[in-house]
Amino acid sequence: AQSVAQPEDQVNVAEGNPLTVKCTYSVSGNPYLFWYVQYPNRGLQFLLKYITGDNLVKGSYGFEAEFNKSQTSFHLKKPSALVSDSALYFCAVRGRGTAGNKLTFGGGTRVLVKP
Amino acid sequence: GAGVSQSPSNKVTEKGKDVELRCDPISGHTALYWYRQSLGQGLEFLIYFQGNSAPDKSGLPSDRFSAERTGGSVSTLTIQRTQQEDSAVYLCASSILAGGPDEQYFGPGTRLTVT
Repeated sequence: AQSVAQPEDQVNVAEGNPLTVKCTYSVSGNPYLFWYVQYPNRGLQFLLKYITGDNLVKGSYGFEAEFNKSQTSFHLKKPSALVSDSALYFCAVRGRGTAGNKLTFGGGTRVLVKP
Repeated sequence: GAGVSQSPSNKVTEKGKDVELRCDPISGHTALYWYRQSLGQGLEFLIYFQGNSAPDKSGLPSDRFSAERTGGSVSTLTIQRTQQEDSAVYLCASSILAGGPDEQYFGPGTRLTVT
């Protein structure tokens, strides 16, 4: 079985400060990892994904994420947060091979960026 | 191009009634997924379709839930004899292929309220 944990329900950060949203996962074999963002009353928007190769993945809106295999983590980061980054963020994992069709999401982390 | 569309955007129904939720995936996407987002429950996988293969129904919570996909495109999620615990936002997503590194693209969701 695969699972994702987002240990923080909410992250508060001042505008201009670095933002980190934590994610750890459990899956058999090598994972595909994803980050999505959800703005109020909207569907999920894809931010970035890890497939293979470079552990630092760059995505949309200045976000990046670092894959750490030994810690089974895929934390989302942004060097300088904006008020408009306030939203709900979901980490997701999918295994590879025959079991790799189902995307499992974490519980989500609400980010509040204060001006 | 056009994204994933869902209808209706909001649905209020009485307990015991049947409801149908519709999803139009992105043209050319062979995989289609349904998720449920409940308050405090995160994103829950319901069912997925891949081309002409048998759907993966492993996430459907009860036999009151069913889904079909006609012609490899539009999908309908049906909930029979709705219960108050069915109240949630139902999200549809599509991807080029199931599994693999392809990200899923989400529709705006249907907010279902059972009174």
